[in-house]
Parts: sequence; structure tokens; C-alpha cells
Amino acid sequence: SAVISQKPSRDICQRGTSLTIQCQVDSQVTMMFWYRQQPGQSLTLIATANQGSEATYESGFVIDKFPISRPNLTFSTLTVSNMSPEDSSIYLCSVTENSISEPQHFGDGTRLSIL
Amino acid sequence: GENVEQHPSTLSVQEGDSAVIKCTYSDSASNYFPWYKQELGKRPQLIIDIRSNVGEKKDQRIAVTLNKTAKHFSLHITETQPEDSAVYFCAASRTTNAGKSTFGDGTTLTVKP
Repeated sequence: SAVISQKPSRDICQRGTSLTIQCQVDSQVTMMFWYRQQPGQSLTLIATANQGSEATYESGFVIDKFPISRPNLTFSTLTVSNMSPEDSSIYLCSVTENSISEPQHFGDGTRLSIL
Repeated sequence: GENVEQHPSTLSVQEGDSAVIKCTYSDSASNYFPWYKQELGKRPQLIIDIRSNVGEKKDQRIAVTLNKTAKHFSLHITETQPEDSAVYFCAASRTTNAGKSTFGDGTTLTVKP
């Protein structure tokens, strides 16, 4: 299966700042997604990263807070903007490889702490 | 939208015993049901999945059953081992977009040696 690399693996940030998380895949993939996993909790889909167009956001998530880019079929970024302690979480990139009906695979995640 | 409920939230078994985790879903259009295992500090990893055209699927010590009428599906782990200890998540989605999954809240499984 595709190898997914996320950077950074962890970071500690000051409130009010922004951080961009990168997701790089070693092969072209059909779909890329961004999830959030708050400590000890389940995974919540933030948005679908669409190649060459605006991301599709889930209810409760907005572009101004979580801008996403996907310039090609192997790379996407998620920015967490104007961070507050409530944004402390693990952010995970996931992909489906060849078809939208195939299972998704996750990156190792970015553990973000906001002071 | 889809809502997935998972039970129990914690499960402790003795090594060698079986473990069962159950999930229910609300959207009758969901037709793809993966299970993920997440060890502490690691990524969720797919361990087994089932599509709505089958009722059961098995892979060595792991099996999943699906009851479409009742909208529930279950994970069965037999002959549990300490390395099975992890958080297990069920999920539901449509095969038209399997990556857009709704996850259950997770079950923390502890296998005591």
C-alpha cells in the first residue's frame, strides 16, 4: 500500500499562531482526507482534499480555520489557523489509493499542542 | 448524516479468550464497514473490512459479521493475545466514497496474560 509521510510529527505552538501540516504520498492516490483525533477520542473527518479545487468541508469545520491545499495527486497540506488550546489534537492524513471504493490508509499523524 | 455507535467502550479479557465488539449504524445507504486497530501513539491500521453484499468475513483469528436488516456489525477476535491490546474503531461509509467514513467512539481492548 501507499507510504504516507506527515510533517511535522509533533509541534508545540503559541495560541494565535498558525501551523501547516504536510502530507506526502509515494504514489498517486485517488482521494486524500484530513481527520482530527482529540486525545482519547475517535476520529472526525475535517475535509476531503480535492485535487486542483477547493476542499469539501464537513459540518463544523470551515475553510478560514482549516485551509487545505492539494496541488497534485501525491501531496496535500492542512493549515490550522489562529490556534487556541481547543485545537490541541492529533491531525491525520488518510488516502484511498486506486478507487474511491477502496479502504483508506492513514499517516502517522501530527500531534499538536497549543499553549 | 451517518451515526455509528460502538460498544463496549472498554473490554478486558484473559489471554486465549474471545473478544466481541459491536457497532450499529443509522444510514441504510452505508455499505462498507472497516475495522481499525490503533496502538498507543500509532496510526489507525485497517485489520478487516466487509461490504454489504456479504454477511461474514474471516481472516485468521479475526472475523466480522454484518446484519444489514438490523444495521449492526461486529468484530470477533478469537484466541486473544497480549499484542491484541489496542483501541479498535469501527466505521461506516458508502463504497462511492470509502474514505469518507464515520467512526465509532472506539473500544479499548486489554488482553491480560
